[in-house]
Amino acid sequence: DIVMTQSPDSLAVSLGERATINCKSSQSVLHNSKNNNYLAWYQQKPGQPPKLLIYWASTRESGVPDRFSGSGSGTDFTLTISSLQAEDVAVYYCQQYYNTPPTFGQGTKLEIK
Amino acid sequence: EVQLVESGGGLVQPGGSLRLSCAASGFNFGTYWMHWVRQAPGKGLVWVARINSVGSTTAYADSVKGRFTISRDNAKDTLYLQMNSLRAEDTAVYYCARDGITMMDWGQGSLVTVSS
Repeated sequence: DIVMTQSPDSLAVSLGERATINCKSSQSVLHNSKNNNYLAWYQQKPGQPPKLLIYWASTRESGVPDRFSGSGSGTDFTLTISSLQAEDVAVYYCQQYYNTPPTFGQGTKLEIK
Repeated sequence: EVQLVESGGGLVQPGGSLRLSCAASGFNFGTYWMHWVRQAPGKGLVWVARINSVGSTTAYADSVKGRFTISRDNAKDTLYLQMNSLRAEDTAVYYCARDGITMMDWGQGSLVTVSS
């Protein structure tokens, strides 16, 4: 199984500041022939199901604000929130769908400083 | 609008069985692969099982293989998870999720508690 490791486990950022969450996979999730990274990011607010934010490592899901962006390739990925809003307080998970079983990172809890 | 509504959760004793259902609406259910994902209290997300659009191919996490069965009834737009030989470590909120590129849409979840 591909192991996904996120850092940090928790993060406190001031409103309006940038938040950065990292995700590392134990093997590459880049499909060379398709040139796609099989990596997604989810946001989960308390008491709610996860919500898909980004897929293919950098493609925003419809309706997701453009302050959310994803980057990276191969084994190292980043989720960036360019200007933190109060409603962004949540736990964020990365997930690989390169092979079965799909696996998630342990989550990063994002709070307001 | 895509809607996924889980039901069937509850309290069950160790060794017992439970069947979860996920009623789908707002999309052509019979053309999408579907997943079950669980989340133990205060913990992260763990994939449980997946089924293809016609129900002919399934896959399971090692932790549930041989105990859980995923199935679907496309005529009823419903996904199922039959859970047998339940253990305390199966206690979790169980989500169904629609597959697109990956798990695109999720239900609100159904809580399963395994305890004596």
